[in-house]
Amino acid sequence: SQQGEEDPQALSIQEGENATMNCSYKTSINNLQWYRQNSGRGLVHLILIRSNEREKHSGRLRVTLDTSKKSSSLLITASRAADTASYFCATDAGGGADGLTFGKGTHLIIQP
Amino acid sequence: IAGITQAPTSQILAAGRRMTLRCTQDMRHNAMYWYRQDLGLGLRLIHYSNTAGTTGKGEVPDGYSVSRANTDDFPLTLASAVPSQTSVYFCASSETWATQPQHFGDGTRLSIL
Repeated sequence: SQQGEEDPQALSIQEGENATMNCSYKTSINNLQWYRQNSGRGLVHLILIRSNEREKHSGRLRVTLDTSKKSSSLLITASRAADTASYFCATDAGGGADGLTFGKGTHLIIQP
Repeated sequence: IAGITQAPTSQILAAGRRMTLRCTQDMRHNAMYWYRQDLGLGLRLIHYSNTAGTTGKGEVPDGYSVSRANTDDFPLTLASAVPSQTSVYFCASSETWATQPQHFGDGTRLSIL
């Protein structure tokens, strides 16, 4: 079952601008993770935010989590051409057999 | 470089043939996973293993089998391939089950004709 849903499906911005992607999910979670996938490659883990955290930073990445709205956002500041990739959120609903459930992703294009 | 190695990187296979996708990790992670990625459907979990000697079914296990004889290897077998199994297959691992970040291989692109 697809728990996380990213929005928008695709996003194109100019280099240097900020990019914001959103993720909504349906059931209670232990944590939410964001991954990046470059074309033709595997997913790379970016950041993990636990259900008792509201915001987390890592370099140019800022992730927020609102458990009351069952949503998360990923902000990439001062975007670079190398940030062009697909971004996925993944939720862990508590160690059951489903493991991590991934959304369908946001395809981000950074125009030079 | 530590990580996950998948083989082959791509394969074209006739329907009805048997195929094993290989996955090896050198991080001594306990948990391993197989996903398939299809356009418009995202990643879906096929099978997983919490630790060596144990395996479990994910969201889309039918037509696939796995084994986990040791910590490092987690092969995925298609007993009799069908065209609907055309996909990109990713192997992943994590230190423990689900709650930890997962590390992914670069995938096997499989086409069933």
